Amino acid sequence: GQQVMQIPQYQHVQEGEDFTTYCNSSTTLSNIQWYKQRPGGHPVFLIQLVKSGEVKKQKRLTFQFGEAKKNSSLHITATQTTDVGTYFCAVGYTSGTYKYIFGTGTRLKVLA
Amino acid sequence: DTAVSQTPKYLVTQMGNDKSIKCEQNLGHDTMYWYKQDSKKFLKIMFSYNNKELIINETVPNRFSPKSPDKAHLNLHINSLELGDSAVYFCASRQSEAHNEQFFGPGTRLTVL
Repeated sequence: GQQVMQIPQYQHVQEGEDFTTYCNSSTTLSNIQWYKQRPGGHPVFLIQLVKSGEVKKQKRLTFQFGEAKKNSSLHITATQTTDVGTYFCAVGYTSGTYKYIFGTGTRLKVLA
Repeated sequence: DTAVSQTPKYLVTQMGNDKSIKCEQNLGHDTMYWYKQDSKKFLKIMFSYNNKELIINETVPNRFSPKSPDKAHLNLHINSLELGDSAVYFCASRQSEAHNEQFFGPGTRLTVL
């Protein structure tokens, strides 16, 4: 089936370091969403990007949609232990789609 | 108030048994989903319903049968459980095309022995 790659698969950082995860598709996307799943928890919606080159910020989190709408990144500045979890992108290939394909996820561990 | 709820939270059963997982959302959303998350944390869509109608069926074995009695409920029945069915099953809902954010339930951890 369809799969959306995220890199890296795992990342361990010291508290205070920055972190970035990348989401890549071989096909042009209509939009992309980002979710966070804490250990033992469920995915929680963070943001949606729709426009080419779009950049959105939420406090220490910066989300970017590529110019070609085939990739996206999530950057966390100065990580904290509360940032621990798995970050997923979810891609929508067509406008108004009911179906989102989730990326393979990046597991972040933050060492205090 | 819980937006998307699932029961049971844990389900341990023998191979060959039949089991059901229930999902309810009190958000008034039109669309509901079932996802399967395996041990490697991959999240795969299984089914999607919109206003009680099946929209997406992602090549899931016939042993899995979703049922939506009304817009607020989407249940999942699994026949003849197999070892490979062990996973966490998440229900999710979405308001509409214009409001795409998906709200996930807490998950049901199914273990087949």
